[in-house]
Amino acid sequence: GQNIDQPTEMTATEGAIVQINCTYQTSGFNGLFWYQQHAGEAPTFLSYNVLDGLEEKGRFSSFLSRSKGYSYLLLKELQMKDSASYLCAVVDSNYQLIWGAGTKLIIKP
Amino acid sequence: DAEITQSPRHKITETGRQVTLACHQTWNHNNMFWYRQDLGHGLRLIHYSYGVQDTNKGEVSDGYSVSRSNTEDLPLTLESAASSQTSVYFCASSESVQAPLYFGPGTRLTVT
Repeated sequence: GQNIDQPTEMTATEGAIVQINCTYQTSGFNGLFWYQQHAGEAPTFLSYNVLDGLEEKGRFSSFLSRSKGYSYLLLKELQMKDSASYLCAVVDSNYQLIWGAGTKLIIKP
Repeated sequence: DAEITQSPRHKITETGRQVTLACHQTWNHNNMFWYRQDLGHGLRLIHYSYGVQDTNKGEVSDGYSVSRSNTEDLPLTLESAASSQTSVYFCASSESVQAPLYFGPGTRLTVT
């Protein structure tokens, strides 16, 4: 079966750095998305990786290793507004999106 | 500005009633999707469409139907609402299968 694993919950301190991991086992791979979802709101797109390596976008970076079936989202200079759930999703060989259950990130002052 | 809207935002209905949730996008995207989100399950795909007159079943399609008569709209119908269908429903659209999804604001449905 297809599976995406993310930690259920993480806690970090304002101003610090946090890394949210995502491991996947899917039938094929055609890209990996990260989305942010604030409580009571819809998910919004953060990043897309299809090749190995690091993609940087401001305070957020996303890394992919296809050989290891692994990605992480790195958030720097954490702000209180970064408190949200972070969803990892993989495009499989049939171009279907497989979703992880999400990681709830709690930022403490 | 292009957008994707859903209506109603909140709905309470009774078991056995037919319910239709509307989704309208002005992105001119061919791809449209319906998801439900429940605690502990993440996003689960109900139905999706890759263009007008095209509809496909997702992983949790039982009890739901969709139709696509134009590019902008993909209404979701619950034929006979059940308490297990109490959930938050998100509509989304995308330009292609490897492009980001744009989500609507969601509809919170309660079936009593």
